[in-house]
Amino acid sequence: DVKVTQSSRYLVKRTGEKVFLECVQDMDHENMFWYRQDPGLGLRLIYFSYDVKMKEKGDIPEGYSVSREKKERFSLILESASTNQTSMYLCASSFRAVQREKLFFGSGTQLSVL
Amino acid sequence: GQSLEQPSEVTAVEGAIVQINCTYQTSGFYGLSWYQQHDGGAPTFLSYNALDGLEETGRFSSFLSRSDSYGYLLLQELQMKDSASYFCAVKTGANNLFFGTGTRLTVIP
Repeated sequence: DVKVTQSSRYLVKRTGEKVFLECVQDMDHENMFWYRQDPGLGLRLIYFSYDVKMKEKGDIPEGYSVSREKKERFSLILESASTNQTSMYLCASSFRAVQREKLFFGSGTQLSVL
Repeated sequence: GQSLEQPSEVTAVEGAIVQINCTYQTSGFYGLSWYQQHDGGAPTFLSYNALDGLEETGRFSSFLSRSDSYGYLLLQELQMKDSASYFCAVKTGANNLFFGTGTRLTVIP
């Protein structure tokens, strides 16, 4: 069964801390994505990566960075966590080919910044 | 700017048919996707329409009209397990998927 695994289901951090969210996929997908989900706002794209060491900004990249050193792993980094980054974070992956439109999502990490 | 409009909530009776509409205004358009998300779960892919018309997958169908910037998800023979949030999403670029805010469907007995 295909899998996108996020390292933590729940995370509580303090304002100003550096936070790492990890995501691993076992489907050999080229594309990987980080979204945040907030009530009433849907899913908003933070960053995506279409290959190892490649990244592109999404709609809301401010306050975040990413790292993709290996094809199967995509990390989201909050350099200095703030309370407005409290949210559900969803990782997803997909094949790059234009015809393959299906995103596979992880179960999410609920991050609370206090 | 970009926008996707879908109803925030829909309630329907078990065994009935329900249609969830999605209208979009985006800077680019490659196709329209639908995702289902149960409470506490991951979004899961339901369908993708790149061309006008109706696509059927079991009890679920999805429709697209590019000229009207409009699509819908049709769920037939509703079951209690269909209670979930449903998101439309527009593929606006090679790797960009812009999501709507979701429709919460409640199926009642």
